[in-house]
Amino acid sequence: EVQVSESGGGLVQPGGSLRLSCAASGFIFYNHAMNWVRQAPGKGLEWVSAIGGSGDTTYYADSVKGRFTISRDNSKKTLYLHMNSLRAEDTAIYYCATSIVAVRYFDYWGQGTLVTVSS
Amino acid sequence: EIVLTQSPATLSLSPGQGATLSCRASQSVSGYLAWYQQKPGQAPRLLIYDASNRATGIPARFSGSGSGTDFTLTISSLEPEDFAVYYCQQRSNWPLTFGPGTKVDIK
Repeated sequence: EVQVSESGGGLVQPGGSLRLSCAASGFIFYNHAMNWVRQAPGKGLEWVSAIGGSGDTTYYADSVKGRFTISRDNSKKTLYLHMNSLRAEDTAIYYCATSIVAVRYFDYWGQGTLVTVSS
Repeated sequence: EIVLTQSPATLSLSPGQGATLSCRASQSVSGYLAWYQQKPGQAPRLLIYDASNRATGIPARFSGSGSGTDFTLTISSLEPEDFAVYYCQQRSNWPLTFGPGTKVDIK
């Protein structure tokens, strides 16, 4: 059974940093792209970043480019999102999502981790 | 960036009725469109990908159609568990983008 589980969210001040993690199981992790998708409170979904199976290719939304870095450790079956220079508008639930069956879609999701940027 | 527009914003229906949700893209996405369902407090769930392919475990009452710029999600007969928010998403171009969602609520 495919499972992904996020951790690392919390309260951080504007300008601060945070690292999210996503532990994966139930599939061949290094074979598949992984993604981060976020949802601000009461709002819709926003794709944040994607990374290829080997980690060599990465993509970012313009809203986070230059501030966020996606990475993965295939030996640990873990996906990361390093977030710097955080802003109030980054406040959201951050979901980790796989692209296993459907390339560049999001077929399995974690339950999300809440990031709150506030002073 | 490809902008996705969904209509209507809200659809008020009764269980047993059919639902038709629309998603329009600002430029052609070919057939590269997906639909997701999200219930309150839950993560989204993939329903349909590549416009018309049902994801694993999705009931046959959900179907998708369309290509180019105009797409439709049809729910043939609403079950109580189908009342939720539905999002479309394109994978034709980076950045990947979502529509704003259609809320299907109980009339």
